[in-house]
Amino acid sequence: DTGVSQDPRHKITKRGQNVTFRCDPISEHNRLYWYRQTLGQGPEFLTYFQNEAQLEKSRLLSDRFSAERPKGSFSTLEIQRTEQGDSAMYLCASSPGLGGRTDTQYFGPGTRLTVL
Amino acid sequence: QQQVKQSPQSLIVQKGGISIINCAYENTAFDYFPWYQQFPGKGPALLIAIRPDVSEKKEGRFTISFNKSAKQFSLHIMDSQPGDSATYFCAAITVGSGGSNYKLTFGKGTLLTVNP
Repeated sequence: DTGVSQDPRHKITKRGQNVTFRCDPISEHNRLYWYRQTLGQGPEFLTYFQNEAQLEKSRLLSDRFSAERPKGSFSTLEIQRTEQGDSAMYLCASSPGLGGRTDTQYFGPGTRLTVL
Repeated sequence: QQQVKQSPQSLIVQKGGISIINCAYENTAFDYFPWYQQFPGKGPALLIAIRPDVSEKKEGRFTISFNKSAKQFSLHIMDSQPGDSATYFCAAITVGSGGSNYKLTFGKGTLLTVNP
């Protein structure tokens, strides 16, 4: 399977714990996006990488959230001191970065986080 | 503030019928309008997209109608099949503050059920 992969698929944690998610984009895609999807809502943009550079962060991304893409390939999203409101599906997407608004974003299956 | 409003929230259609999902937007900076299809346990997948200078785009059984003056667009699924049962999201794209990225803003989604 050469699509976007995410690990883990499910994560249950206790409030106050730190969690880290991994995203492996489609090979040679230089753009990588993180979105958050809560029940009954569409995905909401969190942050974006062009290669290893993080170029935009949403106001939804509080100081407890940090994302990295150290070598311009895989990316990690860490949430520190988790809160129950962080419970959501975290989606990763990648795109070829060919330019233009038709640069299709391909989504992974997501990581479902439950904070108890 | 919800920038893309989608309706209905859920839709039940008989096999062979027409499914219609509507979306409206306010932000005139949006300049590309994709529709995504999401099956349970999967990430959203691009279905079809339209530019605002086009009033209609058809791909197989899927058609987007676009009304720029009304800031509305809709997805029509002709000859709906049980395999079309999924959640459908309308979305809109605008250039992000990174300058080269294109942010997706999603509607809340429509759960389509096609009965056999």
